[in-house]
Amino acid sequence: GAVVSQHPSRVICKSGTSVKIECRSLDFQATTMFWYRQFPKQSLMLMATSNEGSKATYEQGVEKDKFLINHASLTLSTLTVTSAHPEDSSFYICSARTGPSSPLHFGNGTRLTVT
Amino acid sequence: SQKIEQNSEALNIQEGKTATLTCNYTNYSPAYLQWYRQDPGRGPVFLLLIRENEKEKRKERLKVTFDTTLKQSLFHITASQPADSATYLCALGSNAGGTSYGKLTFGQGTILTVHP
Repeated sequence: GAVVSQHPSRVICKSGTSVKIECRSLDFQATTMFWYRQFPKQSLMLMATSNEGSKATYEQGVEKDKFLINHASLTLSTLTVTSAHPEDSSFYICSARTGPSSPLHFGNGTRLTVT
Repeated sequence: SQKIEQNSEALNIQEGKTATLTCNYTNYSPAYLQWYRQDPGRGPVFLLLIRENEKEKRKERLKVTFDTTLKQSLFHITASQPADSATYLCALGSNAGGTSYGKLTFGQGTILTVHP
Protein backbone atom coordinates (compact mmCIF):
# COMPACT_ATOMS: atom_id res chain seq x y z
CA GLY A 1 0.00 0.00 0.00
CA ALA A 2 0.82 3.73 0.09
CA VAL A 3 1.95 4.13 -3.50
CA VAL A 4 2.81 7.52 -4.95
CA SER A 5 2.90 7.89 -8.71
CA GLN A 6 4.78 10.72 -10.39
CA HIS A 7 4.70 11.68 -14.07
CA PRO A 8 6.52 12.26 -16.28
CA SER A 9 9.69 10.46 -15.28
CA ARG A 10 11.79 12.47 -17.73
CA VAL A 11 11.18 15.67 -19.60
CA ILE A 12 13.35 17.77 -21.85
CA CYS A 13 12.14 21.26 -22.66
CA LYS A 14 13.41 24.42 -24.21
CA SER A 15 14.32 27.46 -22.18
CA GLY A 16 11.33 29.69 -21.56
CA THR A 17 8.69 26.98 -21.69
CA SER A 18 6.67 25.63 -18.76
CA VAL A 19 6.59 22.07 -17.51
CA LYS A 20 3.94 20.42 -15.36
CA ILE A 21 4.72 17.47 -13.09
CA GLU A 22 1.96 15.38 -11.56
CA CYS A 23 2.03 13.55 -8.26
CA ARG A 24 -0.74 11.14 -7.31
CA SER A 25 -1.37 9.08 -4.20
CA LEU A 26 -2.86 5.89 -5.62
CA ASP A 27 -4.29 4.07 -2.63
CA PHE A 28 -4.58 6.66 0.10
CA GLN A 29 -5.68 10.22 0.57
CA ALA A 30 -3.02 12.81 1.16
CA THR A 31 -4.04 16.16 2.58
CA THR A 32 -0.39 17.14 2.46
CA MET A 33 2.20 16.45 -0.20
CA PHE A 34 5.80 17.60 -0.34
CA TRP A 35 7.92 18.64 -3.30
CA TYR A 36 11.67 18.14 -3.18
CA ARG A 37 14.51 18.97 -5.48
CA GLN A 38 17.74 17.00 -5.66
CA PHE A 39 20.99 17.93 -7.36
CA PRO A 40 23.56 15.23 -8.21
CA LYS A 41 25.24 13.79 -5.12
CA GLN A 42 23.30 16.13 -2.89
CA SER A 43 20.48 15.63 -0.48
CA LEU A 44 16.81 16.26 -0.93
CA MET A 45 15.92 19.90 -0.51
CA LEU A 46 12.34 20.64 0.45
CA MET A 47 10.84 23.18 -1.93
CA ALA A 48 7.29 23.44 -0.69
CA THR A 49 4.49 21.80 1.21
CA SER A 50 1.34 21.31 -0.80
CA ASN A 51 -1.93 21.46 1.13
CA GLU A 52 -5.18 20.23 -0.35
CA GLY A 53 -7.61 23.07 -0.89
CA SER A 54 -5.27 25.82 0.21
CA LYS A 55 -2.11 27.62 -0.84
CA ALA A 56 1.21 25.85 -0.75
CA THR A 57 3.83 26.77 1.82
CA TYR A 58 7.17 27.52 0.20
CA GLU A 59 10.59 27.18 1.77
CA GLN A 60 12.84 30.17 2.05
CA GLY A 61 14.51 31.00 -1.24
CA VAL A 62 11.99 29.14 -3.42
CA GLU A 63 10.15 31.41 -5.86
CA LYS A 64 6.45 30.71 -5.59
CA ASP A 65 5.71 32.40 -8.90
CA LYS A 66 8.22 30.19 -10.66
CA PHE A 67 7.24 26.90 -9.04
CA LEU A 68 3.45 26.84 -9.08
CA ILE A 69 1.84 24.20 -6.91
CA ASN A 70 -1.77 23.12 -7.11
CA HIS A 71 -3.31 20.54 -4.79
CA ALA A 72 -6.79 20.28 -6.22
CA SER A 73 -7.81 16.97 -4.68
CA LEU A 74 -6.83 14.58 -1.91
CA THR A 75 -4.91 12.44 -4.38
CA LEU A 76 -3.31 14.89 -6.80
CA SER A 77 -0.75 17.65 -6.52
CA THR A 78 0.96 19.32 -9.47
CA LEU A 79 4.15 21.32 -9.73
CA THR A 80 4.54 23.63 -12.71
CA VAL A 81 7.97 25.02 -13.46
CA THR A 82 7.21 28.24 -15.32
CA SER A 83 9.55 29.86 -17.84
CA ALA A 84 12.12 27.16 -17.23
CA HIS A 85 15.82 27.94 -17.54
CA PRO A 86 18.84 25.63 -17.68
CA GLU A 87 19.54 26.23 -13.98
CA ASP A 88 16.14 24.66 -13.22
CA SER A 89 17.42 21.36 -14.57
CA SER A 90 17.25 18.95 -11.67
CA PHE A 91 15.56 15.88 -10.21
CA TYR A 92 12.17 16.76 -8.75
CA ILE A 93 10.53 14.34 -6.35
CA CYS A 94 7.13 14.45 -4.67
CA SER A 95 6.09 12.65 -1.53
CA ALA A 96 3.04 12.10 0.62
CA ARG A 97 2.24 10.45 3.91
CA THR A 98 -0.73 9.08 5.76
CA GLY A 99 -0.13 10.95 9.04
CA PRO A 100 1.96 13.77 10.60
CA SER A 101 4.90 11.65 11.79
CA SER A 102 4.37 8.79 9.37
CA PRO A 103 7.05 7.86 6.85
CA LEU A 104 7.11 9.62 3.53
CA HIS A 105 6.14 7.72 0.41
CA PHE A 106 7.99 9.07 -2.58
CA GLY A 107 7.26 9.12 -6.24
CA ASN A 108 9.99 7.98 -8.59
CA GLY A 109 10.96 11.49 -9.47
CA THR A 110 11.07 13.59 -12.63
CA ARG A 111 14.35 14.34 -14.34
CA LEU A 112 13.95 17.80 -15.87
CA THR A 113 16.45 18.97 -18.46
CA VAL A 114 16.11 22.49 -19.81
CA THR A 115 18.06 23.18 -22.96
CA SER B 1 21.55 26.58 12.10
CA GLN B 2 20.39 22.97 11.93
CA LYS B 3 22.94 20.60 10.50
CA ILE B 4 22.77 16.91 9.62
CA GLU B 5 25.91 15.01 8.66
CA GLN B 6 26.17 11.47 7.45
CA ASN B 7 29.58 10.05 8.25
CA SER B 8 30.96 9.62 4.81
CA GLU B 9 29.98 10.13 1.25
CA ALA B 10 30.84 6.54 0.34
CA LEU B 11 31.30 3.27 2.17
CA ASN B 12 32.68 0.10 0.59
CA ILE B 13 32.40 -3.26 2.31
CA GLN B 14 32.67 -6.93 1.51
CA GLU B 15 29.61 -9.13 1.15
CA GLY B 16 28.63 -10.77 4.42
CA LYS B 17 30.05 -8.00 6.60
CA THR B 18 28.05 -5.52 8.65
CA ALA B 19 27.69 -2.05 7.21
CA THR B 20 27.44 0.77 9.75
CA LEU B 21 26.31 4.21 8.67
CA THR B 22 26.30 7.26 10.92
CA CYS B 23 24.00 10.24 11.09
CA ASN B 24 24.98 13.14 13.36
CA TYR B 25 23.01 16.31 13.93
CA THR B 26 23.48 19.65 15.65
CA ASN B 27 21.18 22.47 16.69
CA TYR B 28 18.21 20.14 16.44
CA SER B 29 15.90 18.31 18.82
CA PRO B 30 14.14 15.80 16.59
CA ALA B 31 11.07 13.95 17.75
CA TYR B 32 11.89 11.07 15.42
CA LEU B 33 14.42 9.94 12.90
CA GLN B 34 13.92 7.95 9.72
CA TRP B 35 16.21 6.07 7.35
CA TYR B 36 15.56 5.78 3.63
CA ARG B 37 17.17 3.92 0.77
CA GLN B 38 17.55 5.59 -2.62
CA ASP B 39 18.57 3.85 -5.83
CA PRO B 40 19.95 5.87 -8.77
CA GLY B 41 17.25 7.79 -10.61
CA ARG B 42 14.53 6.72 -8.17
CA GLY B 43 12.72 8.25 -5.23
CA PRO B 44 13.73 7.24 -1.70
CA VAL B 45 12.10 4.25 -0.06
CA PHE B 46 11.33 4.24 3.67
CA LEU B 47 13.19 1.68 5.79
CA LEU B 48 12.89 2.41 9.52
CA LEU B 49 11.55 5.01 11.92
CA ILE B 50 12.79 5.51 15.48
CA ARG B 51 11.35 7.95 17.98
CA GLU B 52 13.24 10.06 20.50
CA ASN B 53 12.21 7.85 23.42
CA GLU B 54 13.42 4.68 21.68
CA LYS B 55 16.99 3.42 21.82
CA GLU B 56 16.91 0.77 19.14
CA LYS B 57 14.73 -0.59 16.35
CA ARG B 58 15.18 -3.70 14.25
CA LYS B 59 13.71 -4.97 11.02
CA GLU B 60 15.08 -8.16 9.51
CA ARG B 61 18.79 -7.43 8.77
CA LEU B 62 18.46 -3.76 9.65
CA LYS B 63 19.07 -2.11 13.00
CA VAL B 64 18.84 1.54 13.96
CA THR B 65 19.97 3.18 17.19
CA PHE B 66 19.15 6.68 18.36
CA ASP B 67 21.21 8.47 21.00
CA THR B 68 19.75 11.89 21.75
CA THR B 69 22.62 12.68 24.13
CA LEU B 70 25.26 12.11 21.48
CA LYS B 71 22.87 13.49 18.83
CA GLN B 72 23.61 10.50 16.68
CA SER B 73 21.90 7.62 14.93
CA LEU B 74 23.63 4.48 13.71
CA PHE B 75 22.21 2.35 10.91
CA HIS B 76 23.43 -1.22 10.59
CA ILE B 77 22.94 -3.73 7.81
CA THR B 78 24.06 -7.18 8.88
CA ALA B 79 25.10 -9.95 6.49
CA SER B 80 25.27 -7.37 3.72
CA GLN B 81 24.59 -8.34 0.12
CA PRO B 82 25.47 -6.69 -3.21
CA ALA B 83 21.74 -5.91 -3.54
CA ASP B 84 22.07 -3.63 -0.50
CA SER B 85 24.22 -1.27 -2.58
CA ALA B 86 22.42 2.08 -2.68
CA THR B 87 22.43 5.54 -1.14
CA TYR B 88 21.09 5.66 2.40
CA LEU B 89 19.56 8.84 3.75
CA CYS B 90 18.75 9.79 7.30
CA ALA B 91 15.98 12.27 7.95
CA LEU B 92 14.96 14.08 11.10
CA GLY B 93 11.48 15.20 11.95
CA SER B 94 10.00 17.53 14.53
CA ASN B 95 6.65 17.68 16.22
CA ALA B 96 7.17 21.32 17.10
CA GLY B 97 4.36 23.62 16.15
CA GLY B 98 4.23 26.13 13.37
CA THR B 99 5.89 25.64 10.04
CA SER B 100 8.27 22.96 11.35
CA TYR B 101 5.50 20.52 12.25
CA GLY B 102 5.96 17.19 10.55
CA LYS B 103 8.68 18.53 8.29
CA LEU B 104 11.57 16.20 7.47
CA THR B 105 15.15 17.39 7.01
CA PHE B 106 17.43 15.02 5.11
CA GLY B 107 21.13 14.31 5.40
CA GLN B 108 23.26 14.25 2.27
CA GLY B 109 23.33 10.46 2.13
CA THR B 110 25.98 7.76 2.20
CA ILE B 111 26.63 5.67 -0.91
CA LEU B 112 27.05 2.07 0.18
CA THR B 113 28.71 -0.43 -2.14
CA VAL B 114 28.77 -4.08 -1.15
CA HIS B 115 31.35 -6.05 -3.10
CA PRO B 116 30.78 -9.74 -3.85
